[in-house]
Order: sequence, then structure tokens, then C-alpha cells
Amino acid sequence: DAGVTQSPTHLIKTRGQQVTLRCSPKSGHDTVSWYQQALGQGPQFIFQYYEEEERQRGNFPDRFSGHQFPNYSSELNVNALLLGDSALYLCASSFWGVGKEAFFGQGTRLTVV
Amino acid sequence: KNEVEQSPQNLTAQEGEFITINCSYSVGISALHWLQQHPGGGIVSLFMLSSGKKKHGRLIATINIQEKHSSLHITASHPRDSAVYICAVPLYGGSQGNLIFGKGTKLSVKP
Repeated sequence: DAGVTQSPTHLIKTRGQQVTLRCSPKSGHDTVSWYQQALGQGPQFIFQYYEEEERQRGNFPDRFSGHQFPNYSSELNVNALLLGDSALYLCASSFWGVGKEAFFGQGTRLTVV
Repeated sequence: KNEVEQSPQNLTAQEGEFITINCSYSVGISALHWLQQHPGGGIVSLFMLSSGKKKHGRLIATINIQEKHSSLHITASHPRDSAVYICAVPLYGGSQGNLIFGKGTKLSVKP
């Protein structure tokens, strides 16, 4: 079992560009959550997907969007990148339901220059 | 909605010492997560617990639901335990979904 895998591991983009990050959940998991972790800070919840729909959303602008595919994998898209979007983006997968354990990927380090 | 406080913020220990990290939260929860993060690395889930105590190797996690408090203990600490330890709980108590994280405890174990 490969666990949660994210790609790419590192990425450098220019302000104003768009970026897509990818996440494959742990085998069998149907729910994917995305978090942003700025340097020296704790992760902040972006949104969660289940059954190909966004189920919950944190306090992030519409520039942040996502998608979940029928195989439960997910993408995070960020448009019109700002310097402040530089962060580690973490994906977590779980089974849908209350109190289910979340498993995290290694993250994608995005640098916006 | 929930708030999480973790202490201490920084902890330096000598190899072999017993270590305790504490986490308090404000709203009743379905489960609490203890996570480990190495510098520049992703997050590893150590425990998820909703009651009592769990043990994995030298790591022990306890939770007191009534007092809204959890502790992570490391016995016979080792330099490879050096990392940031984070507790996380659901933002809205019993809901499925997004986690709110403590600020983390940066542990450094000296040989």
C-alpha cells in the first residue's frame, strides 16, 4: 500500500501563473482534504472532497479550486498565484464519516517568485 | 468552533529522558490526532484516539474527554525523535472534516 502520494514534490512558479497539484489517496479511502502550511505555521484547511463534490471549505479565496475524480484522486488548482501562496500543500485522505483517521502525504512545496 | 493549545512550544531533552507534550481543546470532539513532522517534510500520523490510551513502541498517547486534554509521551527518547509534534482536532467538534492544528511542539533530543 503506497499510502497517500502527492505530485510534484517541489514546484517553482511565477506570480500570476496557475498551478495544479495532485493527490492519490491511500487505497480504499474515498475522502480527500487539502491543507496549506506556510513556513513556521500550522496547516490550514483549504477544502475537502467526497463523492466528487466539495463538502467543506476553509477560509480561502476562489482562486483555490479543486476536483475529485471517480477513482478518488484529487487535484488542487490555484490561479493568479501570489507570493503569499508559497507554502507546503498537504493532502490527507480518510474514509468518509465522523472520527475517521486521516493519513497525510509528504506534501508539495510550492514556491512563487 | 474548536481552539487548540499545545505546550510546550519548544522542548530540549537528553537522550533517554521521558518526554510529555500536552494538548488542550475547547469543544467536545469525535477524535484527536497526534502527528509528527520532520523539518521540510510531510506529516506522519502517529495516533488517532477518542478515549483512553494508545501505545505504539515508545510512544504513548492518552486522552481525557471530560477535561478536553490529551498528552503524548515518549519513553527513552532518542535523537531520531527530534521533530515537531502536532495535535489536531476537528474544527467543529463531532463533524467529519477539517482539522484544526495546534502550533506544534518542536522537540530536540540531544545525544
